[in-house]
Amino acid sequence: AQSVTQLDSQVPVFEEAPVELRCNYSSSVSVYLFWYVQYPNQGLQLLLKYLSGSTLVKGINGFEAEFNKSQTSFHLRKPSVHISDTAEYFCAVSEWGETSGSRLTFGEGTQLTVNP
Amino acid sequence: GAVVSQHPSWVICKSGTSVKIECRSLDFQATTMFWYRQFPKQSLMLMATSNEGSKATYEQGVEKDKFLINHASLTLSTLTVTSAHPEDSSFYICSARGGISYEQYFGPGTRLTVT
Repeated sequence: AQSVTQLDSQVPVFEEAPVELRCNYSSSVSVYLFWYVQYPNQGLQLLLKYLSGSTLVKGINGFEAEFNKSQTSFHLRKPSVHISDTAEYFCAVSEWGETSGSRLTFGEGTQLTVNP
Repeated sequence: GAVVSQHPSWVICKSGTSVKIECRSLDFQATTMFWYRQFPKQSLMLMATSNEGSKATYEQGVEKDKFLINHASLTLSTLTVTSAHPEDSSFYICSARGGISYEQYFGPGTRLTVT
């Protein structure tokens, strides 16, 4: 069974500063990896995903993430954050297989707060 | 494209009553739909997976007689919370996946409050 660990529950940063949200996973098979953002009282919006190929993945809103198989990590980064990036961020993993992509396991979430 | 809606967006009901939440895929056929539950400041917990025309598969610890899931068409799944109690108050989110696509598209969620 897969599991996901988001190493920071809260990350406060100042506007225009860079940020990294950390995510580690464990799985016995190959995986798909996702980052989602959730604004208060809303559903989840996909930021980016890693399926295969290039380990550096670019997503929406200037976010990117790098898949590191040896360290089983998929950290999310943004070089310069905005106030509007304040939200909860979830890392998720899905295992390959007959039902690949059919079952997501989420991390506990990281609350990113961007201060002026 | 790939829009998923939920109705209602919020609902308040009295303890002991039942409430139905709808999840619709608006512009694609959802062969598989998922129902999640999210408590405040916590992550999403998968409750069940439903495939169109089949019985739902419930996660361990989820009472199938309490949380009735129906996926009668390729665009609609419903979650009925039967005999709701205050501890069932939560944010319920559905997602949908079409065909062989790996990606799930999430609905906006439904806030259930049981008084």
